[in-house]
Amino acid sequence: EVQLVESGGGLVQPGRSLKLSCAASGFTFSNYYMAWVRQAPTKGLEWVAYISTGGGSTYYRDSVKGRFTISRDNAKSTLYLQMDSLRSEDTATYYCTTVEIKGFAYWGQGTLVTVSS
Amino acid sequence: DVVMTQTPVSLPVSLGGQASISCRSSQSLVHSNGNTYLHWYLQKPGQSPQLLIYRVSNRFSGVPDRFSGSGSGTDFTLKISRVEPEDLGDYYCLQSTHFPFTFGSGTKLEIK
Repeated sequence: EVQLVESGGGLVQPGRSLKLSCAASGFTFSNYYMAWVRQAPTKGLEWVAYISTGGGSTYYRDSVKGRFTISRDNAKSTLYLQMDSLRSEDTATYYCTTVEIKGFAYWGQGTLVTVSS
Repeated sequence: DVVMTQTPVSLPVSLGGQASISCRSSQSLVHSNGNTYLHWYLQKPGQSPQLLIYRVSNRFSGVPDRFSGSGSGTDFTLKISRVEPEDLGDYYCLQSTHFPFTFGSGTKLEIK
């Protein structure tokens, strides 16, 4: 059974940093592109970042480019999102997802990030 | 960015009835490889999104055949027949043909 378990969310002040993790199991993690998708409270879904199987290719939405870094450790089957210079508009539940020709097929349960002073 | 215009915003339906959701893109979603990467998701209250339909018309594993997807180019539709209580929630379309990937703004399916 595919499982994606996010962690690392919490309350953080504007301008500070936070690192999210996503532990994968039940599939060969190194064979899958991965992504982070977020959802602000009561709002819709928004793609954040994407990484290739080996980590050599990464893509970001413009609003997080230069502040967020997506990475992965295939030996640990874990996906990361380093978030720096956080803003109030980054407040959201962050989901990790697998990326394939089926789109974002499998999702974690999400981790809530709240940016507030 | 590709804008995904999803309608209606809210869709009241009777149990056992039929529902139809539209998703239109601001540019063609046909990839250079010939595939169209338009997908549909359901997010039930308090849950993560779940994949229903991938690449326009393919049902994901375990999705009942009451759900069907159609369309091409820039115009796509999700249909739900014989609506059941478990179908209630927010529906989203997603395009993954062009970066940045973009979602529709969502349709709330609720009981009439």
